[in-house]
Amino acid sequence: DAGVIQSPRHEVTEMGQEVTLRCKPISGHDYLFWYRQTMMRGLELLIYFNNNVPIDDSGMPEDRFSAKMPNASFSTLKIQPSEPRDSAVYFCASAPGLGQVHGYTFGSGTRLTVV
Amino acid sequence: DAKTTQPNSMESNEEEPVHLPCNHSTISGTDYIHWYRQLPSQGPEYVIHGLTSNVNNRMASLAIAEDRKSSTLILHRATLRDAAVYYCILRDAGNQFYFGTGTSLTVIP
Repeated sequence: DAGVIQSPRHEVTEMGQEVTLRCKPISGHDYLFWYRQTMMRGLELLIYFNNNVPIDDSGMPEDRFSAKMPNASFSTLKIQPSEPRDSAVYFCASAPGLGQVHGYTFGSGTRLTVV
Repeated sequence: DAKTTQPNSMESNEEEPVHLPCNHSTISGTDYIHWYRQLPSQGPEYVIHGLTSNVNNRMASLAIAEDRKSSTLILHRATLRDAAVYYCILRDAGNQFYFGTGTSLTVIP
């Protein structure tokens, strides 16, 4: 398995533009998580899905953020409109279950810069 | 979410053992202790986890205090590739992971 695949690796956009981050989880993993990492706040859980259904989105900072999982092999995190304070590294992770031994497998992240 | 406390940074000489401490005084009886590490420019990766007994795997050992209020991740021989941020995390009843700020480990050649 190629692991959790995120795209793009880097994204630079202008303030006000829409940004879409993509994630392909490991096949067979029922859980998908989106995290954001900044120097100030560390790793923050934004939202997670179970079997394509959003379970907890309490970490989503505001309405400008939305996440979808249309099928088991694909998820998107969208920011519209983007702001400079959204600049961060966004990680996607997947897991076969919440009680599984090895926990989460993370992707390599998308570094977002909003100018 | 359950809280953990780790030193912000530590240094170790290459090929020497490293003991990374973590305090989790509010741990509940069903919380598992997980350790992840994050290498530069990568996502976090699983290292080891345990509940009550000490655990060993090919990457590290986990020593858990008898009262479970603290634990120590042990890297038996640090290499330059072990330089990373190490996160100690409690998995709570909701089975979610909440990452703190971790310990940044520097390995000195």
